[in-house]
Amino acid sequence: DAGVIQSPRHEVTEMGQEVTLRCKPISGHDYLFWYRQTMMRGLELLIYFNNNVPIDDSGMPEDRFSAKMPNASFSTLKIQPSEPRDSAVYFCASSSRDRVYEQYFGPGTRLTVT
Amino acid sequence: AQKVTQAQTEISVVEKEDVTLDCVYETRDTTYYLFWYKQPPSGELVFLIRRNSFDEQNEISGRYSWNFQKSTSSFNFTITASQVVDSAVYFCALSEAQGAGSYQLTFGKGTKLSVIP
Repeated sequence: DAGVIQSPRHEVTEMGQEVTLRCKPISGHDYLFWYRQTMMRGLELLIYFNNNVPIDDSGMPEDRFSAKMPNASFSTLKIQPSEPRDSAVYFCASSSRDRVYEQYFGPGTRLTVT
Repeated sequence: AQKVTQAQTEISVVEKEDVTLDCVYETRDTTYYLFWYKQPPSGELVFLIRRNSFDEQNEISGRYSWNFQKSTSSFNFTITASQVVDSAVYFCALSEAQGAGSYQLTFGKGTKLSVIP
C-alpha cells in the first residue's frame, strides 16, 4: 500500500513568492496533519483535519499560512508571501479513525526561502 | 500543558553496545498516549510504538524495548546490540486524549543516535 505522498520533495523559492505544498494521505485515513520541523523549534503541529474539515489550526504561525482539504485524498498548505524564516521541512501525516493516535508521516517537503 | 523532554541531544555508541534513550513527559491528563518515532538520515518519520497511560507493561520487539514508568513520568527506549542502521534521530511524543477534537502529538526535541562500526 502506498504511504503518505508529498510533493514537491524540495522547493527553493525567493522571498515574497507563493509556495504550495501538497499531500495525499493514506487511502481510508480520516485524519490529516501538517507539521513543520526546524532546528530551533523541532516538530510543531500546524493544523489538522478530520473528514476534510479543519479541526485545530492554532499552530498556524500567521495569516500568510493557509491549508485546505478539498477532498479525502488531497490537501494543500500554502504560504503567501513566503519569508526566509519559513524555511523548514514540512511533513504531512495521516491516521485512521480507529487508530487516530498512530500517525503515519510522508517523506516531507524541504522548503528553502531565499 | 503537555511537554516532552529528551535530555540527551546526541549519543554515540560502538556497534553491538546497548543504548537507552530517555524520555520524560508532563501532562495533566490521566489518559494519554506515548510514542516513539525514528527519523533516519533520509528524513521520513517512522512510527515505532504507541503506549497508552493505562498500560505500564514493558514491551519488547526484537532488539527494541520500552520501559514505561508512570511514577517517574518516563518512557525510555532501549536498543540492544546496536547496529549501524539504528543511526537516526529518535523522537518521543505525547498525545493527550482530550476528547474527539484533540489528537495533537507533542514531540520532544529528539536524540541523535550515531552507531559507530
